[in-house]
Amino acid sequence: DAGVIQSPRHEVTEMGQEVTLRCKPISGHDYLFWYRQTMMRGLELLIYFNNNVPIDDSGMPEDRFSAKMPNASFSTLKIQPSEPRDSAVYFCASSLRGWYEQYFGPGTRLTVT
Amino acid sequence: KNQVEQSPQSLIILEGKNCTLQCNYTVSPFSNLRWYKQDTGRGPVSLTIMTFSENTKSNGRYTATLDADTKQSSLHITASQLSDSASYICVVSEDTDKLIFGTGTRLQVFP
Repeated sequence: DAGVIQSPRHEVTEMGQEVTLRCKPISGHDYLFWYRQTMMRGLELLIYFNNNVPIDDSGMPEDRFSAKMPNASFSTLKIQPSEPRDSAVYFCASSLRGWYEQYFGPGTRLTVT
Repeated sequence: KNQVEQSPQSLIILEGKNCTLQCNYTVSPFSNLRWYKQDTGRGPVSLTIMTFSENTKSNGRYTATLDADTKQSSLHITASQLSDSASYICVVSEDTDKLIFGTGTRLQVFP
């Protein structure tokens, strides 16, 4: 298995632009998690899905952030409009057994100028 | 407030030496504690997961200990290698399974 796949690996955009991050979980995993990592705050959970349904989005910082999972093999995290403080590495992780064993993707490094 | 604190923030050691990383937590109620290794530019990879009843767990040269009474954990690396250079993240799970992440210890191993 290729593991969790994320794209793009790097994204540089200007403030105000829309940004879409993509994730393909490991086949058969029915949990999907989106995290954000910064030097100051470490890893923070943004939202997670179970069987394509959003379960907890309390970590989503504000309405500018939205996430979807239209099917079991694809999820997106969208930021509209983007701001410089959104600059971070965004990780997607998937799991077969809920929270217990999560497999992380390589991350998307987002820079908003 | 549920928190996970790690020390030191960064550490430099010579290849072949041993080292110990610390994790203190205030998460309650407690479910399990994990140590992740994160190489530069990569996602975290799980090293060990320990539940309340386990006080030590090994994965090769990595040994994690857990004292649930004092709410402390340590990760001991034996005979360090250059490939051990990474960030090590302590993660504690509440009984709701929500994960609380530490900010990590950055380890650099020099030849």
